[in-house]
Amino acid sequence: EAQVTQNPRYLITVTGKKLTVTCSQNMNHEYMSWYRQDPGLGLRQIYYSMNVEVTDKGDVPEGYKVSRKEKRNFPLILESPSPNQTSLYFCASTPGTGRNYGYTFGSGTRLTVV
Amino acid sequence: AQSVAQPEDQVNVAEGNPLTVKCTYSVSGNPYLFWYVQYPNRGLQFLLKYITGDNLVKGSYGFEAEFNKSQTSFHLKKPSALVSDSALYFCAVRAFEGRYSTLTFGKGTMLLVSP
Repeated sequence: EAQVTQNPRYLITVTGKKLTVTCSQNMNHEYMSWYRQDPGLGLRQIYYSMNVEVTDKGDVPEGYKVSRKEKRNFPLILESPSPNQTSLYFCASTPGTGRNYGYTFGSGTRLTVV
Repeated sequence: AQSVAQPEDQVNVAEGNPLTVKCTYSVSGNPYLFWYVQYPNRGLQFLLKYITGDNLVKGSYGFEAEFNKSQTSFHLKKPSALVSDSALYFCAVRAFEGRYSTLTFGKGTMLLVSP
């Protein structure tokens, strides 16, 4: 089944403790992206990646890092999480940069930073 | 920069009645428009998209959307609402910024269908 897989689904952590949220897609998509969803703000893009070793900042990149060492994986790293990073996170992928391509989303990771 | 506006935080409709969820956009050049739905504790699911051609686009679960270039709108519609349509709906636009394209979302509209 074609899908985007995120782990974990739920995570509670303490301020300052480094964490990684994994994302993997099995569709050989070139383009991957991370979004955070907050009430009243919709989805905002954190980082995106055009291909292996090519990443760029989205609208809200502060406090996050990403890497793209393999085509299928795009982990989101929070080096020193803070409470304002409590949110619902989605990973997404799409075949390429063509505007007619939609995105396939993962099931989400609900992160709570206390 | 591109943007999407969903002017209604919530839409209430009775089952069996027609529904409309509004969306307007701003983008340089031709827009590529999408609607996604999010059910509780689930990820986003693709409903439909407008690329080019007919202004009325048909999608999943009986939904359709009407593209209006002069009003820069892409409203989501369904002739007869179901209670199971209750969910959070997002409009999105994709356009190029520099070398790359990105998908920009509206803030979402909660649709509540009452029995």
